[in-house]
Amino acid sequence: QQQVKQSPQSLIVQKGGISIINCAYENTAFDYFPWYQQFPGKGPALLIAIRPDVSEKKEGRFTISFNKSAKQFSLHIMDSQPGDSATYFCAASNGYGGSQGNLIFGKGTKLSVKP
Amino acid sequence: ETGVTQTPRHLVMGMTNKKSLKCEQHLGHNAMYWYKQSAKKPLELMFVYSLEERVENNSVPSRFSPECPNSSHLFLHLHTLQPEDSALYLCASSQDLGLGGGQPQHFGDGTRLSIL
Repeated sequence: QQQVKQSPQSLIVQKGGISIINCAYENTAFDYFPWYQQFPGKGPALLIAIRPDVSEKKEGRFTISFNKSAKQFSLHIMDSQPGDSATYFCAASNGYGGSQGNLIFGKGTKLSVKP
Repeated sequence: ETGVTQTPRHLVMGMTNKKSLKCEQHLGHNAMYWYKQSAKKPLELMFVYSLEERVENNSVPSRFSPECPNSSHLFLHLHTLQPEDSALYLCASSQDLGLGGGQPQHFGDGTRLSIL
């Protein structure tokens, strides 16, 4: 119940296309859903995050869509660029449980944007 | 320096060696974390510190020993490691624990550890 399932494992998109990465969770107590971006040789960096009181959050070309009833959330990258090629991780946390609000991460999606 | 700094960036050690990983955060945060990152696996939380007090130990073998002397520094002492311990070890910090509704975590670039 503490897992976050992420798909696909890898994704190839043409430059200018839309990249979509999906995550699903079971624990309805999760209340914070961030996405992290990791380039080779670097640590993960927070990209965008959402809380369950909104269904969508947009920052530039990056959008999180959140479906509370389906217990799913997704990252959309519009107008994908070769510089977006990285590994993306979704995560979730429960700030009111007994887990200190620790982040539970998905396994990651390796995105390659072809020029 | 800014952000979260980890040293060394790469470490090769034998199974009988003793070494330490160092993490320093320059963000004024109160919580610090150690994660293990292995290929095709989710990031595994190892230890959590809040205000220099260990608040979580996720069933990590005793061959990993954390130390947090102050809120800016975090160490991971390693001894008699196994080949399966080869991985990227990431340090992170956040303003506080994620209690009460989520805290962004800031990661260092990790130490790539290889056990011979």
